[in-house]
Amino acid sequence: SAVISQKPSRDICQRGTSLTIQCQVDSQVTMMFWYRQQPGQSLTLIATANQGSEATYESGFVIDKFPISRPNLTFSTLTVSNMSPEDSSIYLCSVDESAGVLTDTQYFGPGTRLTVL
Amino acid sequence: AQTVTQSQPEMSVQEAETVTLSCTYDTSENNYYLFWYKQPPSRQMILVIRQEAYKQQNATENRFSVNFQKAAKSFSLKISDSQLGDTAMYFCAFMKLPGGGNKLTFGTGTQLKVEL
Repeated sequence: SAVISQKPSRDICQRGTSLTIQCQVDSQVTMMFWYRQQPGQSLTLIATANQGSEATYESGFVIDKFPISRPNLTFSTLTVSNMSPEDSSIYLCSVDESAGVLTDTQYFGPGTRLTVL
Repeated sequence: AQTVTQSQPEMSVQEAETVTLSCTYDTSENNYYLFWYKQPPSRQMILVIRQEAYKQQNATENRFSVNFQKAAKSFSLKISDSQLGDTAMYFCAFMKLPGGGNKLTFGTGTQLKVEL
């Protein structure tokens, strides 16, 4: 499976500020997925990011709050803007390709644990 | 829309014993995949096993196997010879195919504790 890294692994932020989370994959992939996992909860898809086009957001998530960049086929960023304590979550990125082959299985990065005070 | 239900918030099992985690789902689709992921305290989401809906044979991966009942929309995970390292949150997940954008719909999870 693809090797995925995320930065930062964790952060503590003040309300009203923004944090950008990076996701790096060791091979080129078409789609990258961003998920949120609120404390004690399951994973919820935020958006799907394709290179060269705007991200597709799920119901309940908007670009102004969670802007996403996808500058190339191995990298994506998710920004959590104007943060409030309710944004405290683990944010995970995932891909469904490995070595250029579509696997129809998503593999996840290690996650970013965000705490907003 | 698809829904995935895990009715067991917590379970425990003795080391070396067998445990079964339950999952049911609701969909009108005929072609889909089902997954079990584990999330240990490190929070890394790790794929445990995958089942294609068109396959009648239940998937197995070493000590992990599933009981897939398509008509009943049931997808349980059996862990044999449980080990302390199996302690984790286990999530059942659904992916619609094709044309589903490869989106995963997750259940609420079952926290499994393996005890000595």
